[in-house]
Amino acid sequence: AQSVTQLGSHVSVSEGALVLLRCNYSSSVPPYLFWYVQYPNQGLQLLLKYTTGATLVKGINGFEAEFKKSETSFHLTKPSAHMSDAAEYFCAVDIIQGAQKLVFGQGTRLTINP
Amino acid sequence: EAQVTQNPRYLITVTGKKLTVTCSQNMNHEYMSWYRQDPGLGLRQIYYSMNVEVTDKGDVPEGYKVSRKEKRNFPLILESPSPNQTSLYFCASASLPLSSQAFFGQGTRLTVV
Repeated sequence: AQSVTQLGSHVSVSEGALVLLRCNYSSSVPPYLFWYVQYPNQGLQLLLKYTTGATLVKGINGFEAEFKKSETSFHLTKPSAHMSDAAEYFCAVDIIQGAQKLVFGQGTRLTINP
Repeated sequence: EAQVTQNPRYLITVTGKKLTVTCSQNMNHEYMSWYRQDPGLGLRQIYYSMNVEVTDKGDVPEGYKVSRKEKRNFPLILESPSPNQTSLYFCASASLPLSSQAFFGQGTRLTVV
């Protein structure tokens, strides 16, 4: 079975601080991995993705994520938080490689304190 | 502009009254999908379609129907809505191969009373 776990439904950081949003998955085969961001009253948009190749992936707005197969993790980071980063973040995994059923995590709401 | 359009954005209806939520994409994508978003549960897939006339159940298909008669449209049908279908619904589309990103609509907030 495929599942995605995001540790922490709410994360709060100060402006300028490091952002770390955790995502772990369970899969019997190497998955495709995605992070999506949802701003208030909007749909989801892709932040970054890992399919193959380099395990450190850079996305939009200064975010990056590292695929660690041994830890079955795909944590999202940003060195310095900005007020505009406040949103809900979803980690997602293909249930079967190449078949985009996109199993989503529960989501993490990121709050930025001034 | 590439987009996925859902209508309506907001809908309040009564139990048992059939409704349809439309979804249209202008990117010639083969793949389309419906999700519902509920607090603490993330997004759960309802139905998806790999191409015209090809649809399959997702994780929570009960109480929903879909059709894919044209490539650009993928309506979600609730034949007899119930209060437990109150949720935020998203339509998404993607091109093949399926490692590409999915594009999402703005969402439809449905309330069934």
